[in-house]
Amino acid sequence: EVQLVESGGGLVQPGGSLRLSCAASGFTFSSYYMNWVRQAPGKGLEWVAYIKQDGSEKNYVDSVKGRFTISRDNAKNSLYLQVNSLRAEDTAVYYCVRDVGYCSGGNCYTVLDYWGQGTLVTVSS
Amino acid sequence: AIQMTQSPSSLSASVGDRVTITCRASQGIRNDLGWYQQKPGKAPKVLISAASTLQSGVPSRFSGSGSGTEFTLTISSLQPEDFASYYCLQDYNYPLTFGGGTKVEVK
Repeated sequence: EVQLVESGGGLVQPGGSLRLSCAASGFTFSSYYMNWVRQAPGKGLEWVAYIKQDGSEKNYVDSVKGRFTISRDNAKNSLYLQVNSLRAEDTAVYYCVRDVGYCSGGNCYTVLDYWGQGTLVTVSS
Repeated sequence: AIQMTQSPSSLSASVGDRVTITCRASQGIRNDLGWYQQKPGKAPKVLISAASTLQSGVPSRFSGSGSGTEFTLTISSLQPEDFASYYCLQDYNYPLTFGGGTKVEVK
């Protein structure tokens, strides 16, 4: 059974830092792109970052570039998000998400098929 | 970044109704679009990829259509378990962007 379990969230002051972790099990972690997606309380979904299987490619939404860093340790089946210089608007549930993307007819598609339960980050003084 | 405009933001419907949700992209995205369902307090679940490909295990009452800039998710006969929020997601390029969501409520 595929499982993604996030941890590391909590209450942090503006300007503070946290390291979010995601423990993966039930699948070959090193074979998949992985993502972080967040959701502010009562709001919609926002994609945050992705990392390629071997960590050689990463991408971020503009609002977190230079502040957040996605990484992975395939030996530990773990995904991470280092979040620095936190702002009130970063308050959200952060989901660890697997991408089982595929290619068909010359196009390649992202499919976010497994999501963790999320970890809440609250930025407040 | 590509903007995804989803409408309506909410709707009220009854069991058995046909429900249609629309997503418009700020530029052409071929058919690089997925639909996700989210129930309160739960993580989202993927319903459709590539605009119209139903994911394994998703009931056939869900269907997707569209290409370019306009896309539609249709629920042919709304069931009690379908009351939830729905989001489109463009995966044409990064940053991936979601629509604002549509909350389907009981009429």
